[in-house]
This record gives sequence, C-alpha cells and structure tokens, in this order.
Amino acid sequence: DSGVTQTPKHLITATGQRVTLRCSPRSGDLSVYWYQQSLDQGLQFLIQYYNGEERAKGNILERFSAQQFPDLHSELNLSSLELGDSALYFCASSSASGRQTDTQYFGPGTRLTVL
Amino acid sequence: GDSVTQMEGPVTLSEEAFLTINCTYTATGYPSLFWYVQYPGEGLQLLLKATKADDKGSNKGFEATYRKETTSFHLEKGSVQVSDSAVYFCALSDDTGGFKTIFGAGTRLFVKA
Repeated sequence: DSGVTQTPKHLITATGQRVTLRCSPRSGDLSVYWYQQSLDQGLQFLIQYYNGEERAKGNILERFSAQQFPDLHSELNLSSLELGDSALYFCASSSASGRQTDTQYFGPGTRLTVL
Repeated sequence: GDSVTQMEGPVTLSEEAFLTINCTYTATGYPSLFWYVQYPGEGLQLLLKATKADDKGSNKGFEATYRKETTSFHLEKGSVQVSDSAVYFCALSDDTGGFKTIFGAGTRLFVKA
C-alpha cells in the first residue's frame, strides 16, 4: 500500500459526459501527479501540482483539467469524453521538494470506460 | 525531444534464470532514471533509481547502472522468481530541461516455475 488513495476504482460513462477523478496523496506529500495509461499511448504524464499550484504540464488535452485543494487532495476533470479517453488514470504523490526527480508513489488507479 | 526506449516483451524465463531488460534514453538535460514495476491490477511501484552518471540503483536483487556514455539504464537480476512476473517500466525525470517525466512502453516478464 503506497498510501495514495484514488476514487472511484472503476467508472463507466458515455461519450460526451464529464467525470471527476479524485486523489488523496500520502500524508505530508505536497506534490500530486496525474498519468494516463492506455494500450496505444502507454503511460503518459498529464500534469503536476505542488502545494496547490500547477508545477508542470505534460500531454494533457484541453478537455481535461485538474486542481489541488488546500487539504492537498486533487481532482482530475475529464469533459466531452470520447471513446479514446478510456484508460487507467493514475495519481502519484511525492515529498515536499516538488521536483520531478523525487520518488513518486502511485495510487491503485481509476479505470475509466467510455461507451 | 526526450524519450525512453525499452525492449519489447513479453520476456519469458524459467525460475532462477538471469534477467536483462534493456533501456536507453535521449535527454536534453540531466535526468534521473528509474525502474518501476507494475503487478497485475496494481499501480506502479518504484523498484530502483539513479540520479547521476555511474550511479547504481539496487533493490530486491535488481540492479541498474546509469551509463551516460551509452545513454542506457539496463535492468538486471541474477536469479528471477515466479513472483517477479510483472510489467517493468523504465522512466526518466528531468527538472533541468523543463519539468517532465517520461516512461518507456513497458516490458512484460513471465517467469515459469
């Protein structure tokens, strides 16, 4: 158990809909990272937040957005969903420095299926 | 741009065989290199890391050495067990050339008893 929690575990929705994925980092970690894992694209870094502020942006679509709240939990919002958005979405957290080179601890993931 | 290339799988070995999974990278900055392991139905776990050239990361019998001259970070284990069956990801993280984390495609390992 990494100490990172993600909800829900599974999510099934329809094209055009909007969903919110939630992540709670390990106690004391200020950085949260979001990743998408799909069969065709592999594991892709989406975005990083550090202590409530956006720190780094990867291959995140404009239809996707994220935020980190004062209690440090984070939410990833996916809107206008398409079939190709079906994937495993992982959250990770790391220690206080906020560097990308810190060890990241991954949650169990949310499996999103878009029908 | 930066990238990570690792050998395609699946790799199938018998128990106690020697394991090598190749990983090479391209980077504009001075990245740290990682190996992560993903067991079925679980998230990724850090296996080992190396932060600068010639560093050797090791954990649970796995080793990898950061080779700047060959831009490689090959994963090795002297004697694999059935419990090592998983998907292994090589990755680089870089704060110097712009914040980024890049993963390889993953290599699935099957170990037979």
